[in-house]
Amino acid sequence: NAGVTQTPKFRILKIGQSMTLQCTQDMNHNYMYWYRQDPGMGLKLIYYSVGAGITDKGEVPNGYNVSRSTTEDFPLRLELAAPSQTSVYFCASSPVGNEQFFGPGTRLTVL
Amino acid sequence: AQSVAQPEDQVNVAEGNPLTVKCTYSVSGNPYLFWYVQYPNRGLQFLLKYITGDNLVKGSYGFEAEFNKSQTSFHLKKPSALVSDSALYFCAVSPYNNAGNMLTFGGGTRLMVKP
Repeated sequence: NAGVTQTPKFRILKIGQSMTLQCTQDMNHNYMYWYRQDPGMGLKLIYYSVGAGITDKGEVPNGYNVSRSTTEDFPLRLELAAPSQTSVYFCASSPVGNEQFFGPGTRLTVL
Repeated sequence: AQSVAQPEDQVNVAEGNPLTVKCTYSVSGNPYLFWYVQYPNRGLQFLLKYITGDNLVKGSYGFEAEFNKSQTSFHLKKPSALVSDSALYFCAVSPYNNAGNMLTFGGGTRLMVKP
């Protein structure tokens, strides 16, 4: 049982490039989330999903897109990367009405 | 909309002394409350939660938290701090009827335990 896994661990992008952050969970959780954590700050919700085929915006969705074609996977797409998207990105999952389980994070730098 | 305040950016405590990390919240209706810990270059780890029942909740690594409805607080405590407890601590809240189980996090409190 690997829990929540994220790839890559680190990435450097140039302004305007695109990339997909991968997130997979093997706990059969219905709910999945993407957060960003800026230096010295708390977590801000980007997008979330309550099940396969269902996604919704969180607090800071601009510049990002998500899809949820399976229960296990919840990729986050960055289009036209900007320096403001430099952050650490965390994926999480949870069963209904319970605590969230977090992945190890992806550290992204946009130059 | 719900919110969480962690009024202290950093808490310093000597090893062996009791520690308290403060958290206050604002939410409509009854809250679900959580504490998470983050070690350097790691994801958040769940420590404990309050859903209902006893106001004193016990969690991992000897931590506990007290829910106080009248003061809308959920302070994290430990009777005797360890150097290994040094980390970043986050309080989070979710409304009782939140269908998406979404959490609102506080800004975090850095706990420094000195030998």
